[in-house]
Amino acid sequence: QPVLTQPPSSSASLGESARLTCTLPRDINVGNVNIYWYQQKPGSPPKYLLYYYSDSDKGQGSGVPSRFSGSKDASANTGILLISGLQSDDEADYYCMIWPSNAVAFGGGTKLTVL
Amino acid sequence: QVQLVESGGHLVRPEGSLRLSCAASGFIFSDYYMTWIRQAPGKGLEWVSYIGSSGSDIHYADSVKGRFTISRDNAKSSLYLQMNSLRAEDTAVYYCARPADNNGGSYFDHWGQGTLVTVSS
Repeated sequence: QPVLTQPPSSSASLGESARLTCTLPRDINVGNVNIYWYQQKPGSPPKYLLYYYSDSDKGQGSGVPSRFSGSKDASANTGILLISGLQSDDEADYYCMIWPSNAVAFGGGTKLTVL
Repeated sequence: QVQLVESGGHLVRPEGSLRLSCAASGFIFSDYYMTWIRQAPGKGLEWVSYIGSSGSDIHYADSVKGRFTISRDNAKSSLYLQMNSLRAEDTAVYYCARPADNNGGSYFDHWGQGTLVTVSS
């Protein structure tokens, strides 16, 4: 299965922005896959946030505010989740996911702390 | 509304077996791929297996291949995971989840609450 790399932790201040990354293995081109993002809080299953393929092909989960957005950095083969206007409620674990063919892959998750 | 309810998780000895079930409701079960995803205590999400809507197109993570078997009964709107030769590293909460699109390859928009499997002597 593909291995998606996420930093284990990240922190940012209330009201600021957080940029969470998800690096794909070299044999999968980030430009060719949808990157899905989930938020998980303790004791609950993950909640789908959004997907990003390109600026013209992206989607927001139901009820997910627009301050959550996705993008890609092709030069780094990386998917990005940007959370702007951080709120205390955004403190959670965030996972990226791809489903390119015969396997589903999750990143290891990033624990976001809101300072 | 869509509901997924897992059951069957409990304490089992290493090398033992267990069968998990997921009862689905609120949608046409036979139209959708289904999947099992697990999460070890304090760890991240790990995809385990998925099955196509008709019961074909089955795939497993390398970590469970040859030991776990996914199946479904569309008449009963139920998904199953037969787990054999269990190891300590299989200890996890097991979630069943449904992709948003009925062709698979999409995000999971509905998850159950999970069932805990503990493998220990």
